[in-house]
This record gives sequence, C-alpha cells and structure tokens, in this order.
Amino acid sequence: EVQVVESGGGLVQPGRSLRLSCATSGFTFDDYAMHWVRQRPGKGLEWVAGLSWNSVSVGYADSVRGRFTISRDNANNSLYLEMSSLRADDMALYYCVKGLSGYVAYYLDVWGKGTTVAVSS
Amino acid sequence: EVVLTQSPATLSLSPGERATLSCRASQSVSIFLAWYQQKPGQAPRLVIYDASNRAAGIPARFSGRGSETDFTLTISSLEPEDFGVYYCQQRTNWPPGITFGQGTRLEIK
Repeated sequence: EVQVVESGGGLVQPGRSLRLSCATSGFTFDDYAMHWVRQRPGKGLEWVAGLSWNSVSVGYADSVRGRFTISRDNANNSLYLEMSSLRADDMALYYCVKGLSGYVAYYLDVWGKGTTVAVSS
Repeated sequence: EVVLTQSPATLSLSPGERATLSCRASQSVSIFLAWYQQKPGQAPRLVIYDASNRAAGIPARFSGRGSETDFTLTISSLEPEDFGVYYCQQRTNWPPGITFGQGTRLEIK
C-alpha cells in the first residue's frame, strides 16, 4: 500500500524556523516527484513546492520562494520542507503529496493526512 | 501566471442528478488540467487528469472534457459519497509549478 506520512508540525513563533518531514512507503520513491501543498483553515489548496525525482528540477510558490526549501533523501524515501521566517499566513495544514510522474510540473496522486503548522507569539 | 476560475462557487443538487462543474483558465493550458475531490476532514483525491483521463479507482460516472481555457467535470448521476469540494489544477513547465482553482462546493440539496 502506498503511504505518505507527514510529521514535524507544531506551534512556532513568527520569524522562527520549522522543518517538516514526510516518510513514504509502498512505491519506488526515486521514480516520482514529490510536493508540499498547504491548506489554510477553511480555505482552498495552495501548492507550496515540488521537487523532481532526481532533485534537479524544483519549483516554489511565489509566497514561499526564498523562505522555504524542499529537499529529499532518496536513500531513505523521505521528503523535507525547511521553513524559515515563518509568518502568520503560513499557518496551515501541510500535505506531503506524491506526484504522478517524476516531473514537478504534473499531477498529484497520493496525499498524506497532513501536519499542522501554527504560527503565533 | 495562469489563474484558474471555478464556477459555480456552490452547487446544490440531489442524489441521482447530473452535476456539471466548470474551470476556466486565464490563458491556454492545452489539456494539462486535473480535478480533485476533497471531502470534509479528508485529503484531496485525484479524480481526472489531462482533462479527460480518470484516475485509478474513479467510477465511470465521473468524466472530464475541455481544452485550452475551458474545462468541465461532469458527474452523470450523483451518489451520496460524491459531495464535497472539487478543485481544478493546472501545471506550468517553466518555471515548474502547479496552481489550483478556488474550488466548487458540491452540496446535497
């Protein structure tokens, strides 16, 4: 069974950093792009970042570019999101998502349950 | 940047009725559009990709069509489990990225 499980969410003060992790199983991790998508409470979906299967191609939403860094460890089937300079509008449920192909610019086919990030002083 | 606009914002229908959801792109996206379903308290699920291809496990009552800037998702006969929020999504090759529409809430009448 294909699984993606996020961890690392929590309460953080504005301006601080947080690292999200995503553990995966049930598929050949290094064949697929991986993504982070967030959803603010009661709002729609916002793609945050995506990384190709070989980490060569990366994309970020304008709202996080320069503050967030996506990375992956193919040896350990894991995805990460390093978030810095956090702001109140970064508060959301963050989903780790498997891509339908190895390329960033494609579709999203397996979603985790999400991990919640709260930003408050 | 391509902006996706979904309509209507809310669609109220009864089980057994036909649902038609619309997604309009601000510029051509060819056929590179997907639809997702999200039920309350759950993660989204891929329903349609490349405008008209059903994802694995999606029932045949779901169909998608369209190209360039105008797309529709049709559910031929609504089942109780079909209600939720539907998002369209497009992909951009350069810079590589993904954007979603604002969603259409499909609710039971």
